[in-house]
Amino acid sequence: KNQVEQSPQSLIILEGKNCTLQCNYTVSPFSNLRWYKQDTGRGPVSLTIMTFSENTKSNGRYTATLDADTKQSSLHITASQLSDSASYICVVSAKGNTDKLIFGTGTRLQVFP
Amino acid sequence: NAGVTQTPKFQVLKTGQSMTLQCAQDMNHNSMYWYRQDPGMGLRLIYYSASEGTTDKGEVPNGYNVSRLNKREFSLRLESAAPSQTSVYFCASSEGRTGEAFFGQGTRLTVV
Repeated sequence: KNQVEQSPQSLIILEGKNCTLQCNYTVSPFSNLRWYKQDTGRGPVSLTIMTFSENTKSNGRYTATLDADTKQSSLHITASQLSDSASYICVVSAKGNTDKLIFGTGTRLQVFP
Repeated sequence: NAGVTQTPKFQVLKTGQSMTLQCAQDMNHNSMYWYRQDPGMGLRLIYYSASEGTTDKGEVPNGYNVSRLNKREFSLRLESAAPSQTSVYFCASSEGRTGEAFFGQGTRLTVV
């Protein structure tokens, strides 16, 4: 069964600190992996999209990594800001079935001053 | 440029009532989607439309119908609402099958 699992479920950090969120998936055959940020009461917004051949992608203070061999991805947030408080969702699509995205349940990040 | 616009933002229905959730996108995307988001679960696909005039069932289609009215608009209808349909509904669009998906702001629906 195609699944996407994220850890931790929730995380609290102080402003200015770094953090790393994890995503493990069992989707096969793999097409691409996406990280989304979802603010409370809003729709998800795309941060990065990575294909099989990409192992690192950055978007400002957000850096995503992908290990297609171990089927793991991570999202690293550098120098966190209060505005980083949100849920971060890992999403995987399967080759040949890319209209159907498989969503993780998300990591709820809270950044405190 | 509004992106993906959903209406309404909030709705309360009584069991058995019907309603239509509206979605429009101004990015000229071919693919449009309806998802529901429930606590502790990832977004689940209800229906999608790969192009104007075509629709297909997703993971949780029971109790819903959709209409791809034209390239811009994709509506979701609940014919007889049930409490199990209490959820947050998101519409999304993307350019093609591998393109980035853009989401609306969501509709919070409560069925009592």
